[in-house]
Amino acid sequence: QLQLQESGPGLVKPSETLSLTCTVSGGSISSSSYYWGWIRQPPGKGLEWIGSIYYSGSTYYNPSLKSRVTISVDTSKNQFSLKLSSVTAADTAVYYCARHMTAVAELDYWGQGTLVTVSS
Amino acid sequence: EIVMTQSPATLSVSPGERATLSCRASQSVSSNLAWYQQKPGQAPRLLIYGASTRATGIPARFSGSGSGTEFTLTISSLQSEDFAVYYCQQYNNWPPGALTFGGGTKVEIK
Repeated sequence: QLQLQESGPGLVKPSETLSLTCTVSGGSISSSSYYWGWIRQPPGKGLEWIGSIYYSGSTYYNPSLKSRVTISVDTSKNQFSLKLSSVTAADTAVYYCARHMTAVAELDYWGQGTLVTVSS
Repeated sequence: EIVMTQSPATLSVSPGERATLSCRASQSVSSNLAWYQQKPGQAPRLLIYGASTRATGIPARFSGSGSGTEFTLTISSLQSEDFAVYYCQQYNNWPPGALTFGGGTKVEIK
């Protein structure tokens, strides 16, 4: 059974860089069939796609966040990571990692999510 | 960016009744639409993809319909475990088109 698990600091200071890692178990991140994505959800609000990465390193980002986002992959560790720079309180959210197929992008497996709070 | 609009924001339904949730796209997304269920403190769960195909393990009381810009999620007979928030998501033109979600519909007990 595929499992995804987010990890990283739960508190980040304003203007700093948020860094999270998603560890994939029960399957290979190097599968040619899937992209691996990040989605976030501010407290009490809806879902926002941040971006997705292929095992080769090919990435696609939400245009509204593109200038601040970097997603990378480490196939040797079966992990992919998110960096979001210059954070503000508006970036406080539960951050999820998830999987979707290459040709169609319904998100079929999700991590449990991790709350990141931006505060001094 | 394709904007997804869900209605109503909140739907009050009695157990055993039928619930009908709507999702509208700002431009055609063909059948590239998914529905998710989210319960408090949990990650979203995929219910429907391709506008009308149930994901693995999803009960038959959940059905999706529509294409183009108008979509519907129907829960034929609400069970206690179905009270949750439901989101639609489009993936037209992926890649490189962005994935976008609707604002959600909360289905609450009447």
